[in-house]
Amino acid sequence: GAVVSQHPSWVICKSGTSVKIECRSLDFQATTMFWYRQFPKQSLMLMATSNEGSKATYEQGVEKDKFLINHASLTLSTLTVTSAHPEDSSFYICSIGPGNQPQHFGDGTRLSIL
Amino acid sequence: QKEVEQDPGPLSVPEGAIVSLNCTYSNSAFQYFMWYRQYSRKGPELLMYTYSSGNKEDGRFTAQVDKSSKYISLFIRDSQPSDSATYLCAMSAGYGGSQGNLIFGKGTKLSVKP
Repeated sequence: GAVVSQHPSWVICKSGTSVKIECRSLDFQATTMFWYRQFPKQSLMLMATSNEGSKATYEQGVEKDKFLINHASLTLSTLTVTSAHPEDSSFYICSIGPGNQPQHFGDGTRLSIL
Repeated sequence: QKEVEQDPGPLSVPEGAIVSLNCTYSNSAFQYFMWYRQYSRKGPELLMYTYSSGNKEDGRFTAQVDKSSKYISLFIRDSQPSDSATYLCAMSAGYGGSQGNLIFGKGTKLSVKP
């Protein structure tokens, strides 16, 4: 299956700062990548679909100005949480869906905002 | 009614037991059904992938889909302590699951005791 690398795995920062999370597709050129958020004991919820070379598509209720997505190449998508607050603390996971295969996920980024 | 319902457990079984995990869903458009395994603080790892109704077996794992009842199952035979994890069902109407509209259950936490 496709290999997805996510960095950093864990970040702690102060309220009000911005945090960038990287998602790399190591063996597949991904025109589309997906960003999910998972709160404790909750389902993974799709936040947005990242499209290479164009704007991301955000799910209802997700603030596009707060969660900035950049998909500048076929192997890298970034999610920037701007002016992060404690309620943004969560587990953020990216995935790719290579061809007709199911989605493959990265190992996630645990974000803790103090 | 949520689109996908999954008993969160926790489920505790002795080593060697047969484990049955289940999800029900309400959207009759779902055609692609997946089971993911998620270890603590890691991303989901694809276990099984089926299209439409029927059974699929892979080693100790068997996935069943009953579209008429909107019910899917994952069976684990000869369970091992290394199977201890959270098991997520996921489903999609989109082709191959590569579309972003992947709907997850909350996950069932399984503990296999030596």
